[in-house]
Amino acid sequence: QVQLVESGGGVVQPGRSLRLSCGASGFTFSRHGINWVRQAPGKGLEWVALILCDGSNTFYVDSVKGRFTISRDNSRNMVYLQMNSLRDDDTALYYCAAWGEWGLEVPQEYFQHWGQGTLVTVSS
Amino acid sequence: QTVVTQEPSFSVSPGGTVTLTCGLSSGSVSSSYYPSWYQQTPGQPPRTLIHTTNIRSSGVPGRFSGSILGNKAALTITGAQPDDESVYYCALYVAIGIPIIGGGTILTVL
Repeated sequence: QVQLVESGGGVVQPGRSLRLSCGASGFTFSRHGINWVRQAPGKGLEWVALILCDGSNTFYVDSVKGRFTISRDNSRNMVYLQMNSLRDDDTALYYCAAWGEWGLEVPQEYFQHWGQGTLVTVSS
Repeated sequence: QTVVTQEPSFSVSPGGTVTLTCGLSSGSVSSSYYPSWYQQTPGQPPRTLIHTTNIRSSGVPGRFSGSILGNKAALTITGAQPDDESVYYCALYVAIGIPIIGGGTILTVL
């Protein structure tokens, strides 16, 4: 079955860095873009970043541009989110979410599969 | 800045029908935005319900349906069940590589 397993969350001081990982199984990883979506405590979902199937293109929400970097290793079915210069408002549960499969007749532009999330707390 | 708008809350009686909507702060929603809908219960990750306007994801009951109503995307629950009490999020694909998620609608079934 499809699995997305996030790791790497924890408590970190403002201004410091953290790297999240997401391991995928149960689907053809290289045919899916992968997103990070976060949810601050008691708040709604916020899309953070997307990396396309082959890693050639990446996209970010404005609030993390220049601070966060998404990358992937298709040989290991892994996606990473390097988070630098962390701020209090980056505190959230970070979900890894697979985008719809690339290359189908109808574009699949949606969050198809979700992980359980990893919690990042930025606090001094 | 583009904002995806949703009703903050809604209430429906068991067995009743409710339609939640998803709009854009600037302009109309059409199928070219590939509207999708997600259900989230407390302590759980989101569950994908509907994508590409009206396609139900695998295992989603038939009482959930998606459409375009006027200038918004819509999620209709026909014959609401107590288990449908959740937060519902919509997402719109507003540009290449840029999905935006709405603020969510808290649905109460009582």
